[in-house]
Amino acid sequence: SAVISQKPSRDICQRGTSLTIQCQVDSQVTMMFWYRQQPGQSLTLIATANQGSEATYESGFVIDKFPISRPNLTFSTLTVSNMSPEDSSIYLCSVGPGWGEQYFGPGTRLTVT
Amino acid sequence: EDQVTQSPEALRLQEGESSSLNCSYTVSGLRGLFWYRQDPGKGPEFLFTLYSAGEEKEKERLKATLTKKESFLHITAPKPEDSATYLCAVQAPGGNEKLTFGTGTRLTIIP
Repeated sequence: SAVISQKPSRDICQRGTSLTIQCQVDSQVTMMFWYRQQPGQSLTLIATANQGSEATYESGFVIDKFPISRPNLTFSTLTVSNMSPEDSSIYLCSVGPGWGEQYFGPGTRLTVT
Repeated sequence: EDQVTQSPEALRLQEGESSSLNCSYTVSGLRGLFWYRQDPGKGPEFLFTLYSAGEEKEKERLKATLTKKESFLHITAPKPEDSATYLCAVQAPGGNEKLTFGTGTRLTIIP
């Protein structure tokens, strides 16, 4: 399985600011996914990022709030824009072959004050 | 809409006391059912994939089974290091390859 790293591992941010989370994979992958895990809740898919195309967002998530870049086959970023305390969560990237299991990074724990 | 329900929410067992975790699902066609382990402060770690009813997978003290409506994760003679949150997820055809997760079972093994 791929080795996935995320930066930062955690951050505390003020409301109204933005944070960009990086996801780096040690091998080339087609599909990268961004999930959110809110306290006491399940993981929820934010968007799917394919290299060379626009990210596909799930219902309830919009590009203006969560812009995603996918410049190559080993890297992606997720930006959480104009943050509010409700954005406090763990953000996770994952990779997979498409259909089948996904492998997750260690997550970024975000606290918005 | 795909739904995954896990029970119990939390389970405390004595070391060596076997038990089972449940994952009930509703999907419009199942491509795969996945079990993950998540330790505090870490991302989910992949354990098993099950594709069709009747399928079973084993790894050390864990065995996952699948029916048309639910999956069980059986834990035999657990050790304290098995303490973690166990997550179940499903993948359905049509659209994208997203995983729909349950809220997990928090398992604590008491020495």
